[in-house]
Amino acid sequence: GAVVSQHPSWVICKSGTSVKIECRSLDFQATTMFWYRQFPKQSLMLMATSNEGSKATYEQGVEKDKFLINHASLTLSTLTVTSAHPEDSSFYICSASVTGGTSNQPQHFGDGTRLSIL
Amino acid sequence: GNSVTQMEGPVTLSEEAFLTINCTYTATGYPSLFWYVQYPGEGLQLLLKATKADDKGSNKGFEATYRKETTSFHLEKGSVQVSDSAVYFCALRHNQAGTALIFGKGTTLSVSS
Repeated sequence: GAVVSQHPSWVICKSGTSVKIECRSLDFQATTMFWYRQFPKQSLMLMATSNEGSKATYEQGVEKDKFLINHASLTLSTLTVTSAHPEDSSFYICSASVTGGTSNQPQHFGDGTRLSIL
Repeated sequence: GNSVTQMEGPVTLSEEAFLTINCTYTATGYPSLFWYVQYPGEGLQLLLKATKADDKGSNKGFEATYRKETTSFHLEKGSVQVSDSAVYFCALRHNQAGTALIFGKGTTLSVSS
């Protein structure tokens, strides 16, 4: 159980295009989804937290107009990298959890999306 | 702020050697602590966790003990296998609903036969 599917797994596109990454919880309802970015040989940096039906909360230094996050349903969140440039090339990973009561629920991870901007 | 510091890699061991990967943390309050593993070409998998001081998490021969006095959560395994080659991430998370995992930089382990 608790499977998170992320799509696409790999994308290459030209500079200036926009890229949408999907994150789906397949067998549970994810009230909270997290988006991370991982640079080569570095840690996963939290970009934003999104709750279903509300605006995402972005971490300091993350451009919300650059990285558009939509969490319109309990099973789907999308990250759109707008007008992508080579410096946006990275590995993006989503994570989903159920928010239950006052305690934190486990985070389940997708397999990540490798984005390469030429 | 909250942060996790892991030992720099890569760690290179022979099969059946003893493994230690150090992890220390800085946090307010009493977070839960985790070790995640990322095998080549795959996503993150939870390896083990501990939710309070002196708890020991264990899985697949790996162990880590939540040490509040030293703010540490070192990962150990008595006898590593080639199949343990992966990147290991130490992480913390506060128990308040909706808060995210905070990761260390990861440590690459390479085990040779």
